[in-house]
Amino acid sequence: QVQLEESGGGGVQPGGSLRLSCAASGFTFSNYGMYWVRQAPGKGLEWVSFIWYDGTNKYYRDSVKGRFSISRDNSKNAMYLQMNSLRPEDTAVYYCAKDDVYRSSWPGALDIWGQGTLVTVSS
Amino acid sequence: DIQMTQSPSTLSASVGDRVIITCRASQSISSSLAWYQQKPGKAPKLLISKASSLETGVPSRFSGSGSGTEFTLTIGSLQPDDFATYFCQEYNSYSPGFGQGTRLEIK
Repeated sequence: QVQLEESGGGGVQPGGSLRLSCAASGFTFSNYGMYWVRQAPGKGLEWVSFIWYDGTNKYYRDSVKGRFSISRDNSKNAMYLQMNSLRPEDTAVYYCAKDDVYRSSWPGALDIWGQGTLVTVSS
Repeated sequence: DIQMTQSPSTLSASVGDRVIITCRASQSISSSLAWYQQKPGKAPKLLISKASSLETGVPSRFSGSGSGTEFTLTIGSLQPDDFATYFCQEYNSYSPGFGQGTRLEIK
């Protein structure tokens, strides 16, 4: 069964840090690009970051550049999002999601999603 | 960045109705468009990719069309399970963007 499971969310004060993890199972993780997508309470979906299947290239939305860092460990079937200098506007449910194209170097549709982990940034 | 605009934001309809949701891109994205369904408290579910390719297991009452800048999601005959929020997403760039969503509610 193809599955993604996020962990690491929680409450943090502005300026703090969190590290999110995404554990993958049921597919060959090393063959697919991966995303982080977030959704603020009651709002729409917002792409955060994308990493190639082999980890060689990484992309970020402008508002998180220099603060967030995406990585993956294909030997552990895991992806991570290190979030530093957190701001109240980063408050959201963070989803990890799988690209639908085998070994693609270009973003695609997101065919598998985790259940999400809530990050709350507040003093 | 490419901007994605969905309409309407909210749609009231009845079981059995045919509904159409529109997504417009600020520049051409070829057929690099996906549609998702999201229910409250749940993760989005991919319905359609490449503008018109139905995902395995998605009912055939869902269909997508369009290319370039104008796209539509059509639900042929609404079922009770279809009342949810729908998002479009472009993936023609390294900054893939989502539409703001269309909430489909029971009339």
